[in-house]
Amino acid sequence: DVKVTQSSRYLVKRTGEKVFLECVQDMDHENMFWYRQDPGLGLRLIYFSYDVKMKEKGDIPEGYSVSREKKERFSLILESASTNQTSMYLCASSFRDRRNQPQHFGDGTRLSIL
Amino acid sequence: AQKITQTQPGMFVQEKEAVTLDCTYDTSDQSYGLFWYKQPSSGEMIFLIYQGSYDEQNATEGRYSLNFQKARKSANLVISASQLGDSAMYFCAMRVVSGNTGKLIFGQGTTLQVKP
Repeated sequence: DVKVTQSSRYLVKRTGEKVFLECVQDMDHENMFWYRQDPGLGLRLIYFSYDVKMKEKGDIPEGYSVSREKKERFSLILESASTNQTSMYLCASSFRDRRNQPQHFGDGTRLSIL
Repeated sequence: AQKITQTQPGMFVQEKEAVTLDCTYDTSDQSYGLFWYKQPSSGEMIFLIYQGSYDEQNATEGRYSLNFQKARKSANLVISASQLGDSAMYFCAMRVVSGNTGKLIFGQGTTLQVKP
């Protein structure tokens, strides 16, 4: 079974802090994704990566950055956390060129910025 | 613009009955894929079913089937014989090509509650 592991289920941080969310997958997937989920808005893509050190902006990249130094690990960084970044964050991974294969998700991190 | 629309924020169904969750999509691409995911209250996203735009048959996976009407751009999820464990949020998503790979666009989700 595919395993996507997010480092924390719940996280509480303060405004202005630098926050790191970590995601690791064990299926040798080329693609990795970070989403945020808010009520009534569904999942919105923040950033994604299709290879080591490669990244592309999603629909809402402002206030976030990412890092992918190893194939299995994809980190989301909140450079200076703000209260409007309080949300559920979901990491996912998939094979790059298999269009019928789903993205596999981690359990999510509920992040609160105080 | 590429978009997924789920117009039912919440739905109720009686246990053992069938239920249909609506999904419409908008794309000008000829090749695309449609996915349904289930998200229980615990938060994890569970893949349910996939339909390719060129697939002639409607996809089925156990109690889940996808009613794919290409001309109407709809991809409704049908759950037969509902169970209490089906209570969850359900998301429809469309795979689109972006730059060097594919990504998913999600709808707003539908919360399903199964009544005993």
